[in-house]
Amino acid sequence: DAGVTQSPTHLIKTRGQQVTLRCSPKSGHDTVSWYQQALGQGPQFIFQYYEEEERQRGNFPDRFSGHQFPNYSSELNVNALLLGDSALYLCASSTTGPLSEAFFGQGTRLTVV
Amino acid sequence: GENVEQHPSTLSVQEGDSAVIKCTYSDSASNYFPWYKQELGKRPQLIIDIRSNVGEKKDQRIAVTLNKTAKHFSLHITETQPEDSAVYFCAEEGYSSASKIIFGSGTRLSIRP
Repeated sequence: DAGVTQSPTHLIKTRGQQVTLRCSPKSGHDTVSWYQQALGQGPQFIFQYYEEEERQRGNFPDRFSGHQFPNYSSELNVNALLLGDSALYLCASSTTGPLSEAFFGQGTRLTVV
Repeated sequence: GENVEQHPSTLSVQEGDSAVIKCTYSDSASNYFPWYKQELGKRPQLIIDIRSNVGEKKDQRIAVTLNKTAKHFSLHITETQPEDSAVYFCAEEGYSSASKIIFGSGTRLSIRP
């Protein structure tokens, strides 16, 4: 079991560009959540996907969007990148239902220049 | 709104001594309190968790206590070792199939030889 895998591991983009990050959940997991972790801070919840729909969303602008595919993998899209979007983006997968342990991927380090 | 406060932000202890990290939360509906360890450049990993119907839980050198009335929970690491050096995050999660994890700001723990 490869666990949660994310791609790419590192990415450099220019301000104003768009980026797509990808996540494959742990085998048997059907729920994917995305988090943004700025340097020196705790992860901040962006949104969660289940059954190909956004189920819950954190306090992030509409520039942040996502998608979940039938195989439960997920994408995070960020449009009109700002310098402040530079962060580690973490994907976490879990099974649906309360108090399900979340497993994190290694993250994608996004740098906006 | 949902918020988790974590103290201290940095902690340095002598190898073999104990380390304590404290957190407070605001959401009375929270029922699950995980603790994550994040080593430099790596993913957050769950090290211990506690549910709202339990006051204390121990796993070898790590223990967590929860006071739901005061909305406090703490991580205790005894007999610290060099490999305990990392950033530790407390977190809380509500009782819902769409639960999101709210993280504290993190504690950078350093173990002095």
